[in-house]
Amino acid sequence: QVQLQESGPGLVKTSETLSLTCSVSGDSPSGYYWNWIRQSPGKALEWIGRISYSGTTRYNPSLKSRVTLSLDTSKNQFSLRLTSVSAADTAVYYCARHISSWWGIDSWGQGTLVTVSS
Amino acid sequence: QSVLTQPPSASGAPGQAVTISCSGSSSDIGSNSVNWYQQLPGAGPELLIYNNNQRPSGVPDRFSGSKSGTSGSLAISGLQSEDEADYFCASWHDSLSGWVFGGGTKLTVL
Repeated sequence: QVQLQESGPGLVKTSETLSLTCSVSGDSPSGYYWNWIRQSPGKALEWIGRISYSGTTRYNPSLKSRVTLSLDTSKNQFSLRLTSVSAADTAVYYCARHISSWWGIDSWGQGTLVTVSS
Repeated sequence: QSVLTQPPSASGAPGQAVTISCSGSSSDIGSNSVNWYQQLPGAGPELLIYNNNQRPSGVPDRFSGSKSGTSGSLAISGLQSEDEADYFCASWHDSLSGWVFGGGTKLTVL
């Protein structure tokens, strides 16, 4: 049974860079797409972007200019970097995986709350 | 504002049935599958239904899904107290080439 665990600072200052890591255990990351998704207080889930095992990325256009996803296959980890954050970036951030768009996201991390404050 | 539209709340008595709807567009549900998730407080979402009506192993057959056109539905029969949770739908969006989600429905078991 795969397990995903997000880690990173819970508090980031306005205008700085948010960095999170997702550690994957219990299954090989090969063959999957790895996603970052967030949920701001009182709002719906928002897809941030995805990275394939080969390193191909796709980002939500609303965040594309500020987002970078990367993958470290040697550590079974993938990471999110979001620059120039503001209070609007305060959210619970989830990492998640899918193998096919038809089969849905089959595993999620438990999420980590990141608060942006000056 | 979510891309997929769900009712914010639903309720039913133990043993009864409830249905939650999810409305989208031709760019998401209309051309891709609907997936449903259950989320308990403080936990990550768990997959309930994938590919419109398929249940992962371990999900009780009290949970079922369907899709028609640009809408999907999640039906829960024989409500139990442990079903009280948030439920949300998700679908692939063709032009985004990524996931879109419903705003979530809070299910209360009376």
